[in-house]
Amino acid sequence: EAQVTQNPRYLITVTGKKLTVTCSQNMNHEYMSWYRQDPGLGLRQIYYSMNVEVTDKGDVPEGYKVSRKEKRNFPLILESPSPNQTSLYFCASSFFSGGINEQFFGPGTRLTVL
Amino acid sequence: DQQVKQNSPSLSVQEGRISILNCDYTNSMFDYFLWYKKYPAEGPTFLISISSIKDKNEDGRFTVFLNKSAKHLSLHIVPSQPGDSAVYFCAASGGTDKLIFGTGTRLQVFP
Repeated sequence: EAQVTQNPRYLITVTGKKLTVTCSQNMNHEYMSWYRQDPGLGLRQIYYSMNVEVTDKGDVPEGYKVSRKEKRNFPLILESPSPNQTSLYFCASSFFSGGINEQFFGPGTRLTVL
Repeated sequence: DQQVKQNSPSLSVQEGRISILNCDYTNSMFDYFLWYKKYPAEGPTFLISISSIKDKNEDGRFTVFLNKSAKHLSLHIVPSQPGDSAVYFCAASGGTDKLIFGTGTRLQVFP
């Protein structure tokens, strides 16, 4: 089954404790992206990657890191989480198409930073 | 600056009637538009899209209309069903794979 998986689905942590949210896709997609969803703000892009070892900042990259060592995986790293990073996070992937392909989303990770 | 706007946070429609969800954009470079549907505790799923070379695209009960001069698109659902109750996001792209999302409209279809 074609899918994007994320782990964990739910996470409660404390300020400053490093964490990683994993994302994996089995569709051989080149393009992968991380979004956060906040009330009244919709989905905002954090980071994206157009292929292995190619990553770039989205609209709200502060406080986040990513890596793309393999095509299928795109982990999101919070080196020192803060309460304002409490949010719902989605990973997405698609073929690199120049903007005419829909992205497939993972099920989401709800993060709470105390 | 919100480039893609969904000005109605919520919409309530009776089962069997038409649901119309609206979306406005400001960037004239956008040339591809998508609608996503999101149920609670799930990721958004692609629903329907339209290229800027068209003004209408239809898929079963779902039709998207694009008015480029007004920078406006709308999603029509006819007839609405209780299973359509979800949050709907409008998204746009302009020659890259980056999607710009609106803030979403929560649709509730009641019996």
